[in-house]
Amino acid sequence: ELVLTQSPGTLSLSPGERATLSCRASQSVGSNYLAWYQQKPGQAPSLLIYGASNRATGIPDRFSGSGSGTDFTLTISRLEPEDFAVYYCQQYVSSSMYTFGQGTKLEIK
Amino acid sequence: QVQLVQSGAEVKKPGSSVKVSCRASGGTFNTYVLSWVRQAPGQGLEWMGRIIPILGIPNYAQKFQGRVTISADKSTSTVYMELSSLRSEDSAMYYCARGTEDRLYFGHWGQGTLLTVSS
Repeated sequence: ELVLTQSPGTLSLSPGERATLSCRASQSVGSNYLAWYQQKPGQAPSLLIYGASNRATGIPDRFSGSGSGTDFTLTISRLEPEDFAVYYCQQYVSSSMYTFGQGTKLEIK
Repeated sequence: QVQLVQSGAEVKKPGSSVKVSCRASGGTFNTYVLSWVRQAPGQGLEWMGRIIPILGIPNYAQKFQGRVTISADKSTSTVYMELSSLRSEDSAMYYCARGTEDRLYFGHWGQGTLLTVSS
């Protein structure tokens, strides 16, 4: 069973700083089928990054994704106040299944 | 503009069943993956299962096999999720989500349906 482990659990930063979030897979993720989602309080998640490094429609370029194999990173180059939220990674597993990481909460320091 | 509109909040007794709906508009319905994802209070996201309406064959996460039924009504562009033998641990927000064209991710989400299971 594929497990996605996100770190850190909570990240405390100030607006303007750079955020680096990690997602590690328990086995190699085929063809980089990895996505990142942002979830703000009281809202549904929204797609940020797909295919490990492609920004979804309308996502600002301060968000970037990188990585391959088992190690993936979401970077927010310069934090805006609206970026403080919970972030999840997600992977498509074979046999039409999907799995999520447990999330990283990005909070204002 | 793709929209997914879910049915309203539910309160159920332990041991009963619930059926939640999700009506899609503003895009093609039949060929996209429609999934259900739940989120317990203060917890992460958990994928439950999916269906492609034109195929009509659902896939379920192992954890929910035997307890969840996902179906689709092409005539009304609505997907349903029925969860049986409810217990308190099923209290959560339930989201429907439409897959991306490559069926690998979740590009559009419903607003969520809050289920409370309590005696």
